[in-house]
Amino acid sequence: EDQVTQSPEALRLQEGESSSLNCSYTVSGLRGLFWYRQDPGKGPEFLFTLYSAGEEKEKERLKATLTKKESFLHITAPKPEDSATYLCAGELSGGYNKLIFGAGTRLAVHP
Amino acid sequence: KAGVTQTPRYLIKTRGQQVTLSCSPISGHRSVSWYQQTPGQGLQFLFEYFSETQRNKGNFPGRVSGRQFSNSRSEMNVSTLELGDSALYLCASSFSGKETQYFGPGTRLLVL
Repeated sequence: EDQVTQSPEALRLQEGESSSLNCSYTVSGLRGLFWYRQDPGKGPEFLFTLYSAGEEKEKERLKATLTKKESFLHITAPKPEDSATYLCAGELSGGYNKLIFGAGTRLAVHP
Repeated sequence: KAGVTQTPRYLIKTRGQQVTLSCSPISGHRSVSWYQQTPGQGLQFLFEYFSETQRNKGNFPGRVSGRQFSNSRSEMNVSTLELGDSALYLCASSFSGKETQYFGPGTRLLVL
């Protein structure tokens, strides 16, 4: 069964304390691995797409990496405004935008 | 460039009623997907439309249906509402269904 699992469920960091979020997947014929950020009461906001093992992408304090079985979202020197739920999703090859989402990691960054 | 818009933003219905939600994709995007988000099940795929045709469907009962119009706007309908239909319904669009999807703000449905 196609599945995406994220850990930890929740993470509390002090401002400036770097950490990583994990996304492991068992998706047959994975076409792409997506990371989204979701703030309370809002729709998910696109962050990154990764297509092949070894690929890395960066945006401000965030860096996403992909291996054959998992993806990591590294957060360097986070700020309180990085507090949100981070969602990982796998897209099936030939699935026409059918994303399989993980449950998300709720990140809280305290000053 | 305007993003994905969804109407209404909030809705309260009672059990047994039906509801129609609307989604306008980003200009030029022809693929529209719908998702249901609940605290217990997370984000789950409902269906995807392209050029007025449903190409992909998730595992949901027949009470949940959708359609797409020639201008790419899409609607989803839930008939005979149940308490368990209370959720945030999200719409996402992409150019053809093979690129990154961009999500709208969602419609929060509460069934009493």
